[in-house]
Amino acid sequence: QSVLTQPPSVSGAPGQRVTISCTGSSSNIGAGYDVHWYKQLPGTAPKVLIYGNRNRPSGVPDRFSGSKSGTSASLAITGLQAEDEADYYCQSYDRSLSGVGFGGGTKLTVL
Amino acid sequence: QVQLQESGPGLVKPSETLSLTCSVSGGSISSYYWTWIRQPPGKGLEWIGYIYYSGSTYYRPSLKSRLTISLDTSKNQFSLRLSSVTAADTAVYYCARGDTIYGVAYFDYWGQGILVTVSS
Repeated sequence: QSVLTQPPSVSGAPGQRVTISCTGSSSNIGAGYDVHWYKQLPGTAPKVLIYGNRNRPSGVPDRFSGSKSGTSASLAITGLQAEDEADYYCQSYDRSLSGVGFGGGTKLTVL
Repeated sequence: QVQLQESGPGLVKPSETLSLTCSVSGGSISSYYWTWIRQPPGKGLEWIGYIYYSGSTYYRPSLKSRLTISLDTSKNQFSLRLSSVTAADTAVYYCARGDTIYGVAYFDYWGQGILVTVSS
């Protein structure tokens, strides 16, 4: 039972745009805490994709963008490519944990 | 380039203590949140806890009674000790560096992860 809720799976064809939602509560996103996003390929460690709601680390393509509103956040991926197929996780601070909370993860399939 | 590397036993018996060390190279261990995160097989990420370079610790409430995270600045290492383990503690354990933006930590460098299995 994660403190942030993500859809278990999303899919899209190459070139399309997909979004992954991350729904929180007044204990985390709704309290104003920033949201970060990670990409995890099978058998590897997660890699930060978006930090501080919408900032991309150097090397992350601008096809990836993040946004936050109210108690939710979203990750958008445009121009979908085969190498985008991975698990994606959102993360924020949660007051009930007095620490870090992750979403349950979303598996992106590129059709 | 900052690199993190976990080390420790891959098999721990039930009721015993799981001990892991994370070695940090390519950068100083100061000014960040040094973090442990785990991922049970086939499941999502779970924050275990972190230690700030000042020595302050922050633990996941459900693990707090069994957990110790410590820092050795002289060796550029930090460690995890989780006591009284059960099969539910079987997971890939990652160490990570936590940077902050507006006070919320995000993890910019990760170790490769180490699978720890709890079994007799």
